[in-house]
Amino acid sequence: DAGVIQSPRHEVTEMGQEVTLRCKPISGHNSLFWYRQTMMRGLELLIYFNNNVPIDDSGMPEDRFSAKMPNASFSTLKIQPSEPRDSAVYFCASRMDSGELFFGEGSRLTVL
Amino acid sequence: DAKTTQPTSMDCAEGRAANLPCNHSTISGNEYVYWYRQIHSQGPQYIIHGLKNNETNEMASLIITEDRKSSTLILPHATLRDTAVYYCIVRVAGSGAGSYQLTFGKGTKLSVIP
Repeated sequence: DAGVIQSPRHEVTEMGQEVTLRCKPISGHNSLFWYRQTMMRGLELLIYFNNNVPIDDSGMPEDRFSAKMPNASFSTLKIQPSEPRDSAVYFCASRMDSGELFFGEGSRLTVL
Repeated sequence: DAKTTQPTSMDCAEGRAANLPCNHSTISGNEYVYWYRQIHSQGPQYIIHGLKNNETNEMASLIITEDRKSSTLILPHATLRDTAVYYCIVRVAGSGAGSYQLTFGKGTKLSVIP
């Protein structure tokens, strides 16, 4: 199994640009999570999907952030417009039912 | 906010056992204790979890006190590759409301010294 696959691994962009992060969960997993990690705030849950449906998006910072899961094998996290304070490592994770969370390698975003 | 308290950092000599403590004095009866670790520049990795009984797997052992207010993760023979931040997390059991929440605190930065 290839594990949770995220792309891009690194993204450098300028303030105001749109950023799209992508995630392919482990096949057969029915829950998907997006986390953000910064030095100041640590790991924070942004949004949680179950069976492709957003269940809890209370961690999404503001309207500039949006996440979709059009099917069981793909999810996106979009930031539009991006700001320097969005610079962080964004992790996608998946699991089956109440099992263990498997994390991807993360997407490191730098907004100049 | 995290419901656990861990030391900020610890050192361990290579080949020795690493014992990482965690306090979770407000843990509820239906909450498990989970341990994850994060090696530099990687995503967090599941290690082990338990409810009441001590648990052991190929990676580590988990010792939970009888009152469940604290636990210790034991890496029996630490190697340099075990250098990482170790997170102790309490999580509601099952698949009901709130069970998906994994709240990561600051964790313990374990440095394995050659």
